[in-house]
Amino acid sequence: NAGVTQTPKFRVLKTGQSMTLLCAQDMNHEYMYWYRQDPGMGLRLIHYSVGEGTTAKGEVPDGYNVSRLKKQNFLLGLESAAPSQTSVYFCAGRGPSDTGELFFGEGSRLTVL
Amino acid sequence: GQNIDQPTEMTATEGAIVQINCTYQTSGFNGLFWYQQHAGEAPTFLSYNVLDGLEEKGRFSSFLSRSKGYSYLLLKELQMKDSASYLCAVADSNYQLIWGAGTKLIIKP
Repeated sequence: NAGVTQTPKFRVLKTGQSMTLLCAQDMNHEYMYWYRQDPGMGLRLIHYSVGEGTTAKGEVPDGYNVSRLKKQNFLLGLESAAPSQTSVYFCAGRGPSDTGELFFGEGSRLTVL
Repeated sequence: GQNIDQPTEMTATEGAIVQINCTYQTSGFNGLFWYQQHAGEAPTFLSYNVLDGLEEKGRFSSFLSRSKGYSYLLLKELQMKDSASYLCAVADSNYQLIWGAGTKLIIKP
């Protein structure tokens, strides 16, 4: 049972390049989230999805796009990377328990030069 | 605005007890979460409180006072492996999580 898996784990981009982060889950989560984590700040929500084919903007969506064509996959795209997007990105799925706890992927460390 | 406050860093001794506080101001409240995050790793769920009072889970306990907008995480019998960041998060009226910046806990022998 892999849980929530992110690829790639590390990536270095040049300003203006594009890339896609893939989040795959085998836990049947309806809700999935993309966060970024920066030093001295709390996790900030970029985009989220409440089910296959549906996405919504979070707190910091500018410069990012997402797609949820299949329930098990949630993709985060950077159209034209900027140094301000240097961060650690976490994908998470919301569990079926009453608490609604989140199950996180291992994280993807992105550096934009 | 919405705000979660927790201390940036705390230091404690192996075998001792430490209390990490979290205060919050959010638009609505649908529960408070504590997560543990070791350096370079993903956050993992520790506890959830939606009603006032203390929830105990082994060496870890979490307390909530909704009227005071306050919670704490209590760690007993500290072990070196407890060195980590502890993240407080509140689910607002839309069930979106608002996260604190985290408290880095350093355990000394």
